[in-house]
Amino acid sequence: GQSLEQPSEVTAVEGAIVQINCTYQTSGFYGLSWYQQHDGGAPTFLSYNALDGLEETGRFSSFLSRSDSYGYLLLQELQMKDSASYFCAVRDYQRSGGSYIPTFGRGTSLIVHP
Amino acid sequence: EAQVTQNPRYLITVTGKKLTVTCSQNMNHEYMSWYRQDPGLGLRQIYYSMNVEVTDKGDVPEGYKVSRKEKRNFPLILESPSPNQTSLYFCASSLGDGTDTQYFGPGTRLTVL
Repeated sequence: GQSLEQPSEVTAVEGAIVQINCTYQTSGFYGLSWYQQHDGGAPTFLSYNALDGLEETGRFSSFLSRSDSYGYLLLQELQMKDSASYFCAVRDYQRSGGSYIPTFGRGTSLIVHP
Repeated sequence: EAQVTQNPRYLITVTGKKLTVTCSQNMNHEYMSWYRQDPGLGLRQIYYSMNVEVTDKGDVPEGYKVSRKEKRNFPLILESPSPNQTSLYFCASSLGDGTDTQYFGPGTRLTVL
């Protein structure tokens, strides 16, 4: 099977930088994704890492280390609107025929204070 | 506008009364899936479909059925709902292009009394 661990809650102040970590255990690992979900809303895709290293998209960056089974989401210049839940998800080849079943972590609630 | 739609958005029903939650996407995506979200448990996959007439179980399929007769639609069927199926349900679709970009519907909040 597979499992993901991420902190349940992180707090920070506006303008700061915050890092949300995700460690995973899985077989047939293909990649790590991050999603953002505001309260009561639909999850929205943020980033995907299949290879080691840092991917930058504006204020958000995502990092992956396959050898350490570890990744993180980095949010810079925090804004109040960044208060949301953030989920990491692994893409794991589980069955034959090209079936991919993504597994989501339990989510990290980010609270941004003024 | 590219989107995934779900209906109904909110539903209160009673135990044992069959219901269907519809899901439709207009992006010509091959891959579609259903998730349920419960407090503290994140998103858990119920069923997924790789293409028309191809469906398979996710992590929590018990008590649910799906069908994929057309590429754009992927309804979720609860034949005999029970209170433990009270949850927030999301439908999602993706190209299956290797980037794992999933597009989620707005969610259906289901309460089974």
